[in-house]
Amino acid sequence: DIQMTQSPSSLSASVGDRVTITCQASQDISIYLNWYQQKPGKAPKLLIYDASILKAGVPSRFSGSGSGTDFTFTISSLQPEDIATYYCQQYHDLPPFTFGQGTKLEIK
Amino acid sequence: EVQLVESGGGLIQPGGSLRLSCVASGFTVNNNYMNWVRQAPGKGLEWVSVIYSGGATYYADSVKGRFTISRDNSNNTLYLQMNNLRAEDTAVYYCARGDSWGSGTLVIVSS
Repeated sequence: DIQMTQSPSSLSASVGDRVTITCQASQDISIYLNWYQQKPGKAPKLLIYDASILKAGVPSRFSGSGSGTDFTFTISSLQPEDIATYYCQQYHDLPPFTFGQGTKLEIK
Repeated sequence: EVQLVESGGGLIQPGGSLRLSCVASGFTVNNNYMNWVRQAPGKGLEWVSVIYSGGATYYADSVKGRFTISRDNSNNTLYLQMNNLRAEDTAVYYCARGDSWGSGTLVIVSS
C-alpha cells in the first residue's frame, strides 16, 4: 500500500502569511493527489485535485504543485477563514486511497 | 445540486451489525465511483471502501471481511453493511464522490 507522509502536523501563522504544507508518497503516484480542507465539526471539502487543479469556486490563494512522490499545498496569503485541518489523499491506481495525517493550521 | 445524506449510525455493542445508507441527489450513484471514509474522534481521515461504476469493490485491510459496500440504483443509494463491529470502528462515517461529501453519520461501538 502507498503511504502518505504529510508535514507539518500543525502550523501557526499570521494573517497574510504564505503557508506551505508538503505531502510525500511512498511511491510514484504521478499527479493523482487531492487536497482537502476540513473545519471543526464539518465534512472535508475538496480544494485541489490532480495535484494542481483548483476546484471551481475555490479561492485562487490556494494552489498545489508536484508530481511523482513530492507535493506541495500553498496558501499565498492566509485569511482568518482558512483556519482548518488540511489533508492530502492519493488515488493512484488501485485502492486503498490513503490520506496524509493532516495539518492543523492555526492563526498566530 | 449534488447532495449526499448519510443515515443509519448509532450506538451498537461490540460484535453487532449496522447498515449505513447514503442517499444521493443531483447525480447517479451507479455512474460514479463512491467511497466511504471514516474519522475516529479527534483523529484523521481513514479511507474505508470504494465501489466503482462497473461494480468492483475494494476495502481497507482494517475492515476487509467485515464490511460490505453496495448500491441500489432504483433509489440512488449507497450502503455500507458493517458486521462484527469493534470499538475501533467508532467514527463518523462519510460517503463521498471525491468532490462531494455528505455530512456524516456517527457510529459508536461500545458496551
